[in-house]
Amino acid sequence: DSGVTQTPKHLITATGQRVTLRCSPRSGDLSVYWYQQSLDQGLQFLIQYYNGEERAKGNILERFSAQQFPDLHSELNLSSLELGDSALYFCASSVEPTSGTGELFFGEGSRLTVL
Amino acid sequence: AQSVTQLGSHVSVSEGALVLLRCNYSSSVPPYLFWYVQYPNQGLQLLLKYTSAATLVKGINGFEAEFKKSETSFHLTKPSAHMSDAAEYFCAVRGGGGATNKLIFGTGTLLAVQP
Repeated sequence: DSGVTQTPKHLITATGQRVTLRCSPRSGDLSVYWYQQSLDQGLQFLIQYYNGEERAKGNILERFSAQQFPDLHSELNLSSLELGDSALYFCASSVEPTSGTGELFFGEGSRLTVL
Repeated sequence: AQSVTQLGSHVSVSEGALVLLRCNYSSSVPPYLFWYVQYPNQGLQLLLKYTSAATLVKGINGFEAEFKKSETSFHLTKPSAHMSDAAEYFCAVRGGGGATNKLIFGTGTLLAVQP
């Protein structure tokens, strides 16, 4: 158990819909990262938040957005869903570079299926 | 920009045989390198990490990796494969400079262990 909690574990929805994925980081970790894992794209970094502020941005579509709340949990919002958005979405957390060696702790993922 | 390349998307070994999974990196700064393992329907678990302290790094489950700067490599090895080692293995490099711990992952190597 990594200490990172993601909900829901599985989600099935239709094209055009909107979903929200939730992540609770390890106790004490201020950073949250979102990754997308798909067969054709592999593991792609989407976005990072640190203590409520966006810290780094990757290959995140404009239809996707994220935020980190004062209690440090994070949500990834996916809207206008397309078939190609079907993937496993991982959340990870870490301490920050100045106080750690950089490893990320991953949750078990949320599997999104868009029909 | 930092990147990693994993050679061989599928590797098959016999139980008891040597496991060798290859990873080459590209980095403009001294790299932090990681190997993660993903078992079916699970999240990513850290196997080991290189953070410049020692070139031979020992990890969990009998795995180790050697950092070779001259070859820009960080190959993962295990002397004797066990059936339980069957999983997907990802090499990763810390990217983005000092402000983020985001990891850039390779495309993964699926390890099969034959009885």
